[in-house]
Amino acid sequence: QVQLVQSGAEVKKPGASVKVSCEASGYTFTDYYMHWVRQAPGQGLEWMGWISPNTGGTNYAQKFQGRVTMTRNTSISTAYMELSRLTSDDTAVYYCARGDGSGSYFNYWGQGTLVTVSS
Amino acid sequence: QSVLTQPPSVSGAPGQRVTISCTGSSSNIGADFDVHWYQQLPGTAPKLLIYGNINRPSGVPDRFSGSKSGSSASLAITGLQAEDEADYYCQSYDSSLSGYVFGTGTKVTVL
Repeated sequence: QVQLVQSGAEVKKPGASVKVSCEASGYTFTDYYMHWVRQAPGQGLEWMGWISPNTGGTNYAQKFQGRVTMTRNTSISTAYMELSRLTSDDTAVYYCARGDGSGSYFNYWGQGTLVTVSS
Repeated sequence: QSVLTQPPSVSGAPGQRVTISCTGSSSNIGADFDVHWYQQLPGTAPKLLIYGNINRPSGVPDRFSGSKSGSSASLAITGLQAEDEADYYCQSYDSSLSGYVFGTGTKVTVL
């Protein structure tokens, strides 16, 4: 069965960077785009971007361009999302989600990684 | 600030029918991009409920149905059950933003 397992919670200081991992299993990693979505406490879902595990190509939401980097390691079926210059507004649960239906919807989600930014 | 607008909350008694609207614009739903719906229970990751406007993934009860018309879409829940109490989000693609967008989210309360 398809599983996406994310790394554990992180606490970071303002100005730092965070890197979250998402290990995929149960399917061919390179066959599906991987998306990243975040959710601030008590708020809605916000799409951050995607990476093609096959080519390494990326597409970032305008809001995060210049601050987010998505990468992957195909040998261990793992995708990564790194966000830099953190502020308190980046405190959120970060999810990876597999893109299905030509990448347009998200049928499988990771369990989420809480990133807390606090001085 | 989401480009897809949903009502903050809807409520209904067990067994009733409730609907959740998702209003977009000519750059997303109105541009004929598909709408998808997710259910999020407290403290858990979202779960795909409807894809491609009207389709249910395997395992989703047929009490949930989706529709789309013009620049809007709707999710209907018939025979409301206590376990349906959750947050619901619509999602589509926006050509102006060149990216995916979520709705503002709707909390469903079972009275």
